[in-house]
Amino acid sequence: SQKIEQNSEALNIQEGKTATLTCNYTNYSPAYLQWYRQDPGRGPVFLLLIRENEKEKRKERLKVTFDTTLKQSLFHITASQPADSATYLCALVTGANNLFFGTGTRLTVIP
Amino acid sequence: GAVVSQHPSWVICKSGTSVKIECRSLDFQATTMFWYRQFPKQSLMLMATSNEGSKATYEQGVEKDKFLINHASLTLSTLTVTSAHPEDSSFYICSATPPARKYEQYFGPGTRLTVT
Repeated sequence: SQKIEQNSEALNIQEGKTATLTCNYTNYSPAYLQWYRQDPGRGPVFLLLIRENEKEKRKERLKVTFDTTLKQSLFHITASQPADSATYLCALVTGANNLFFGTGTRLTVIP
Repeated sequence: GAVVSQHPSWVICKSGTSVKIECRSLDFQATTMFWYRQFPKQSLMLMATSNEGSKATYEQGVEKDKFLINHASLTLSTLTVTSAHPEDSSFYICSATPPARKYEQYFGPGTRLTVT
């Protein structure tokens, strides 16, 4: 069966450290992989997109890697801040431009 | 740019009644919009793809006669939950893709539906 798993339901880190979130998938062949941020009671906000032929993408303090052999993406937030506390969702994009979401990791950055 | 709004932001209705949720792209035209449902502490599940001027495409397990989708214009899609039941209580979120950013989806703020 198809699965998208994010490594942990919750992750707590100290302010200033790098947060690393993992997204693993099975039985998908995504054209793209995306990461979103979702705050409580709000819709997701698009952060980054990485294509299957790209290894790494960066945007300010964010970095995403995509390994299609391992079927895994890593999402890093460097120099984390309390304002980064939120749920982060990975999503796979299939050829039909449909998004399939992982279960999310709730990140808490402790001051 | 790429702002999507939803209305209402929350609604409470009685069992058996119907509820309409609107999704609008405010600063771009969207030929395709998507409708998702999210239960507490779960991820978003795609319900259907809404195509302007044609019928929606529903995901497996989603009842098309219960969740009516109308995409009447390039900036408006509506989701009507018919004969609502308490198990339909959920967070409903729409998204749209701007033409210039084909593989990015921009989400509305969501609508919290509670059926009593």
